[in-house]
Amino acid sequence: GIQVEQSPPDLILQEGANSTLRCNFSDSVNNLQWFHQNPWGQLINLFYIPSGTKQNGRLSATTVATERYSLLYISSSQTTDSGVYFCAVEAYSGAGSYQLTFGKGTKLSVIP
Amino acid sequence: DTGVSQNPRHKITKRGQNVTFRCDPISEHNRLYWYRQTLGQGPEFLTYFQNEAQLEKSRLLSDRFSAERPKGSFSTLEIQRTEQGDSAMYLCASSPRPQETQYFGPGTRLLVL
Repeated sequence: GIQVEQSPPDLILQEGANSTLRCNFSDSVNNLQWFHQNPWGQLINLFYIPSGTKQNGRLSATTVATERYSLLYISSSQTTDSGVYFCAVEAYSGAGSYQLTFGKGTKLSVIP
Repeated sequence: DTGVSQNPRHKITKRGQNVTFRCDPISEHNRLYWYRQTLGQGPEFLTYFQNEAQLEKSRLLSDRFSAERPKGSFSTLEIQRTEQGDSAMYLCASSPRPQETQYFGPGTRLLVL
């Protein structure tokens, strides 16, 4: 199956700093999603980004499907950005489903 | 649009007991997924429904697990004869069409003692 690797596994930032999270995947995919998992476990959709670049406030994401990677940029980080960021790729399973395969996540801690 | 809901949010049970979780997807989303997440890992796919039909099951879904989606609306996931290794967060997601965003519920956190 598809392998998804995220880096770095852990990241500690001072409030106000910028960061880049990376997601590499091993095969062609139909799509890619970025999520933020808050301390209560809720997965919050950040981006649905099969290719190209999208921006939402202080967050932006770029996916280069031909080179099998995606980047998530966080600018001017805030303590509320803390949590685990997951990249998940979507591929057709052949049995009817477009299941997501997740990486292990990047745990981000933003300190005041 | 009230989002995906899951109940209960937390469940503590003793080994050997049966448990059942419920997921209510976003209305009009005919695709429903169950995932399981253990500590320090990303969620892993368990099973998929398109309307009421269960079209795919992961190898992670042992014979003790069963899922249903009667009438293509809410779904239930039952675990029989729970084991300590079943302790995890069980997540439900729904989407309206293939290759569209999957929206996740808040999850049910299971602890088997």
